Amino acid sequence: DGGITQSPKYLFRKEGQNVTLSCEQNLNHDAMYWYRQDPGQGLRLIYYSQIVNDFQKGDIAEGYSVSREKKESFPLTVTSAQKNPTAFYLCASSILNNYGYTFGSGTRLTVV
Amino acid sequence: SQQGEEDPQALSIQEGENATMNCSYKTSINNLQWYRQNSGRGLVHLILIRSNEREKHSGRLRVTLDTSKKSSSLLITASRAADTASYFCATDAGGNKLVFGAGTILRVKS
Repeated sequence: DGGITQSPKYLFRKEGQNVTLSCEQNLNHDAMYWYRQDPGQGLRLIYYSQIVNDFQKGDIAEGYSVSREKKESFPLTVTSAQKNPTAFYLCASSILNNYGYTFGSGTRLTVV
Repeated sequence: SQQGEEDPQALSIQEGENATMNCSYKTSINNLQWYRQNSGRGLVHLILIRSNEREKHSGRLRVTLDTSKKSSSLLITASRAADTASYFCATDAGGNKLVFGAGTILRVKS
């Protein structure tokens, strides 16, 4: 079955530690996206990529980094520079132009 | 920046009733999309309406778009307990990236 897989489902980060969230899709979608969701709020765009080896900052990119070395994979690193990383992180993919997104099931990151 | 704003923030109805959620946005768009999110899960794409369309149907869902008022509505007819979820509108204003609103929490009581 085609889909988009995020791992891990739950992640705990210590102060000052970098962590990487995985996102893999087998839908052959060109574009991939990372969003952050805080309680009671909508989704805010962190980074997006429309082609391999290229990505753009979204609205809240500070403290995050990404790579797009393969079409199928778009990992997100939450660095120690992100001062308030506790949130629900959602990865999505899409065909470009006027198509809906397919979302993963999310990773809940908590700072301990 | 949030482009779409949903109204109401929360809605509680009885099973079998219709549920209407509204979305307003600020800039010109290519399309507007509606998504559902069950608690603690990812979002599921429900329907996409292009800027040159005024109404679209999918099963029990009806979406309207009024570009002159920069607003959209999502109607769920004959609601079921399984429709309980958060519903988000999202706008594509170009650049192939969606901007989401804060969502409407729908509770359908059985």
